[in-house]
Amino acid sequence: GENVEQHPSTLSVQEGDSAVIKCTYSDSASNYFPWYKQELGKGPQLIIDIRSNVGEKKDQRIAVTLNKTAKHFSLHITETQPEDSAVYFCAPSPRILTGGGNKLTFGTGTQLKVEL
Amino acid sequence: GAGVSQSPSNKVTEKGKDVELRCDPISGHTALYWYRQSLGQGLEFLIYFQGNSAPDKSGLPSDRFSAERTGGSVSTLTIQRTQQEDSAVYLCASSLQSDPKTSFDGYTFGSGTRLTVV
Repeated sequence: GENVEQHPSTLSVQEGDSAVIKCTYSDSASNYFPWYKQELGKGPQLIIDIRSNVGEKKDQRIAVTLNKTAKHFSLHITETQPEDSAVYFCAPSPRILTGGGNKLTFGTGTQLKVEL
Repeated sequence: GAGVSQSPSNKVTEKGKDVELRCDPISGHTALYWYRQSLGQGLEFLIYFQGNSAPDKSGLPSDRFSAERTGGSVSTLTIQRTQQEDSAVYLCASSLQSDPKTSFDGYTFGSGTRLTVV
């Protein structure tokens, strides 16, 4: 099965600074790379994802970069704001080409705190 | 509905009792997943349902855990003879599986059921 690690486990930044969270995985068949954000008392929410035929994807202040050779991908948040404070999970997955369904293996999570 | 609905939001039960947790997925979503999240931990896969296929039960931790999905919509996760280590937040998610070769829209999670076994 997929072995997924996230670093760091906790991250504190000043408002306006950038934050980077890295996810490493073991399954070379992985070709779908999402990031989820979980706010207190809520379920995780998909914020950005990337497929293996793309090296980088941006959506306003967030971006994901992928290095398939090294088997890692990273979440980048620029101009951080207090509302970015949450736990972030990566969930690399191999695509299941028959029958549908994507069972995601989630990383251990990164607690991001944006301080005023 | 507009999102994934889970009930109850909180459940306190005595050790040894059975509990049922309910998940109502987004209408039209063919795939439904159950995950468990212990305090301060990541998400542990339990089971998933995809259309009319046999469910993938590979993540269920013991035979005290079971789940069913009736009519391809609502799902119930049942834990029999609850133990204190079952205390966790149980999260349900659904996804729209169109063409698995070309698209996957990610999960939409519910807010979870916080189960406390005393």
